This record gives sequence, structure tokens and C-alpha cells, in this order.
Amino acid sequence: SAVISQKPSRDICQRGTSLTIQCQVDSQVTMMFWYRQQPGQSLTLIATANQGSEATYESGFVIDKFPISRPNLTFSTLTVSNMSPEDSSIYLCSVEDRGGARNTGELFFGEGSRLTVL
Amino acid sequence: AQSVSQHNHHVILSEAASLELGCNYSYGGTVNLFWYVQYPGQHLQLLLKYFSGDPLVKGIKGFEAEFIKSKFSFNLRKPSVQWSDTAEYFCAVRGRSGAGSYQLTFGKGTKLSVIP
Repeated sequence: SAVISQKPSRDICQRGTSLTIQCQVDSQVTMMFWYRQQPGQSLTLIATANQGSEATYESGFVIDKFPISRPNLTFSTLTVSNMSPEDSSIYLCSVEDRGGARNTGELFFGEGSRLTVL
Repeated sequence: AQSVSQHNHHVILSEAASLELGCNYSYGGTVNLFWYVQYPGQHLQLLLKYFSGDPLVKGIKGFEAEFIKSKFSFNLRKPSVQWSDTAEYFCAVRGRSGAGSYQLTFGKGTKLSVIP
């Protein structure tokens, strides 16, 4: 298993500003994932962050809006840029349990960062 | 692209009642199936998963789920719920994403409220 810490846990932001969310894992992991959970919606994958390479973004998400850093195998940041009220959401960091030789596919999640944009 | 549909948005049960939460998915290839649970104020955690083999999967806390391939379903069940089962439950399917990587696609979740 993996223990994931996210900061901030919640924040209230003004329209047009940017906020960086930090994700720290207690073990080295190859891939880290950033999800968004909008009110009343399911979790949606924003991007996959691999150490040493550019993040891979899913359809509907772009690097200019959600720049991601992955400086090492235990840490990643997601920035929500030029925020609008539509960005109000819970942002979740997760990592995959590689299960040794077999990829079990299980994801471990942080507690999330709840952003409210006014 | 895969999708997941959870039939119930909010389910309210009395303690000791039986539970079944519906989950259907659409995906053309081989899938791995999961149920995650989020207790109030806590992070998402895995309840159970199906990769292959016996389609009846048992998870933690007395939960089980049955994979029925012909119906593209993976319903979650528990014979007798407790107040502590109050939580939100998410069904998820793992397949290849549009960007080419494997990702989990989640349903919208079902909120379960158990009345003592």
C-alpha cells in the first residue's frame, strides 16, 4: 500500500488566480495520477505524471491550464491556472500499486484538495 | 472509450437490510473491475476487485460483487448492512484510455445512508 499526503486540503481562491496542489507519497512510484471530482460527478482523470517526462493529459485537459511537475519518484504538483468558478472541485492525487511483477491495478488515493473559486 | 453507469444516486436502508448496488460498464476489451468506498471525511479506498477467475469476488467488511460478463455488470452486494457502511461507493473499470494509457474510469457514485 501507499500513503499519500496532499496539500492544501482545502482552499478558497479568487477568480483569475492560480493554485498549486502538492502530492507526497511515502514510497517511490513510477506513475502518479491526478483526478478531478466535480460536485455530483464521478472522478475524471486529468493526467498521468511520470518522473522525468512530460505528463500525459486526457481529452479535455491541457498543460497550460493544468501544468504538472514530477521532480522525483515521491512527489508531484498540479497547478490549476487562471481559475474560474467552474474549476471548483476536489482534486485527487493517486498512485498505482504495481504489486511487484504484477500490476494489480489498484489505485491509492490522497484525501483530496477541495478548491472553491469565487 | 469505456464508461461506467451506477444506477442509484442515493440509497437509504435500515440496519440489517440487504444491499445491492448496480454497476454496468461499456468497454470492448478485457477489463478489470473495482469497487471503491469513501467513508465520510476519509479518502477513497479499495473495497474489492475482479481481474479474472471466479466471477464472485469477496472484499472487505462482508462485501461481495459478481461479474456477469454477458450483462456487462459488476453489482455490489452485502447481506446485512450496518450503520458504519454509510459511505459513497464508486464502481470503476480499468481499460485503455484515449491517451493510450491504462486508466480507471469511475461511475458517478452511489451514496448509501444506513439508518440505525
